Amino acid sequence: GENVEQHPSTLSVQEGDSAVIKCTYSDSASNYFPWYKQELGKRPQLIIDIRSNVGEKKDQRIAVTLNKTAKHFSLHITETQPEDSAVYFCAAKSFQKLVFGTGTRLLVSP
Amino acid sequence: EAGVAQSPRYKIIEKRQSVAFWCNPISGHATLYWYQQILGQGPKLLIQFQNNGVVDDSQLPKDRFSAERLKGVDSTLKIQPAKLEDSAVYLCASSLGAGGSTDTQYFGPGTRLTVL
Repeated sequence: GENVEQHPSTLSVQEGDSAVIKCTYSDSASNYFPWYKQELGKRPQLIIDIRSNVGEKKDQRIAVTLNKTAKHFSLHITETQPEDSAVYFCAAKSFQKLVFGTGTRLLVSP
Repeated sequence: EAGVAQSPRYKIIEKRQSVAFWCNPISGHATLYWYQQILGQGPKLLIQFQNNGVVDDSQLPKDRFSAERLKGVDSTLKIQPAKLEDSAVYLCASSLGAGGSTDTQYFGPGTRLTVL
């Protein structure tokens, strides 16, 4: 089955800096890669996603890139703000099943 | 649009007791998922329903966990008997379609279970 690895587990940046979170997946059949943001005690919320026929997608300060050959995808947050502080999860979907990474705790200091 | 509803939000039980969680998906969503999220980890799929049929329950510990979605709308997840390692947040999610690649999952607030 699919296995998703996520790095780093913790990321501390200063407000205004960029943050990058990286994920790798094992199943070449995976074709959908969402990113979820989870604030403490809250539900995971979808922030951006990318499908396997696209290499990059951008939404304001957030972008995701996908390298199908290398089986890795990354989340890029520019001009970080304190409200970006949360745990971010990547996921990969293969045959209707979504497999999550272990999460990255992002801390943005003012 | 109302989101995915879950209850209770918190539950504390002793080991070997039973517990049940309830989920009401977004109206019109065909597919419902139950995930287990252990502290510090990502959500892990326990069971997936499409309407009232089971699509995937390969990671459901069937000796103690059961789930149903009798009328294809709301769902219950039961643990009987509970073990200490069942302490986790149980998340319900729903999606509009059949769970294919274009189908976004929306999560409920979760039920935090503590087994003592």
